Amino acid sequence: AQTVTQSQPEMSVQEAETVTLSCTYDTSESDYYLFWYKQPPSRQMILVIRQEAYKQQNATENRFSVNFQKAAKSFSLKISDSQLGDAAMYFCAYSREGGSEKLVFGKGTKLTVNP
Amino acid sequence: DTGVSQDPRHKITKRGQNVTFRCDPISEHNRLYWYRQTLGQGPEFLTYFQNEAQLEKSRLLSDRFSAERPKGSFSTLEIQRTEQGDSAMYLCASNLGDRENYGYTFGSGTRLTVV
Repeated sequence: AQTVTQSQPEMSVQEAETVTLSCTYDTSESDYYLFWYKQPPSRQMILVIRQEAYKQQNATENRFSVNFQKAAKSFSLKISDSQLGDAAMYFCAYSREGGSEKLVFGKGTKLTVNP
Repeated sequence: DTGVSQDPRHKITKRGQNVTFRCDPISEHNRLYWYRQTLGQGPEFLTYFQNEAQLEKSRLLSDRFSAERPKGSFSTLEIQRTEQGDSAMYLCASNLGDRENYGYTFGSGTRLTVV
């Protein structure tokens, strides 16, 4: 069974600084999809960024980028120029078939942004 | 379309009572997923539907849990004889079920408290 591990229960960053959230996963598949989701307090989960395992290039979405290390089964999220609105729970997730199968989530990392 | 709607937002029930939650997905989405999220944990997959067909059920879904999606539109999740361990946030998500179009949309969840 696939598993996703987030080893940092909490992280904090100063506004405008950069922070990296870690994620490792375990799978025997060679093709799969990885995601970072953001869950603000009492609000719905939204997609931050996604990475297809068959793509070597790391995904980037504005201030968010990933470091995907397939051999190491590592998928970290870097948030640059952190903003107060980035404060939330961040979940790393795995899907074997992209949008056609369930997501497997890690336990999450609570990110605090200090002004 | 206002996204994925879940009703109610909060439910407090006494142990042993039955509860039913409703999820209205985005209208063109044929896949609908149910997850359970307990405090400090990531969402855990419960079940999902392709239109009206229930395609997969997690081992987490005991006999007290049942889900339906009549006519492939809204879905209901019923918990019979609730236990304190059922206290959690129940999340619904929907998408097109396309491998490359993995735009899962989550609802805001139903928070269940069993007293």
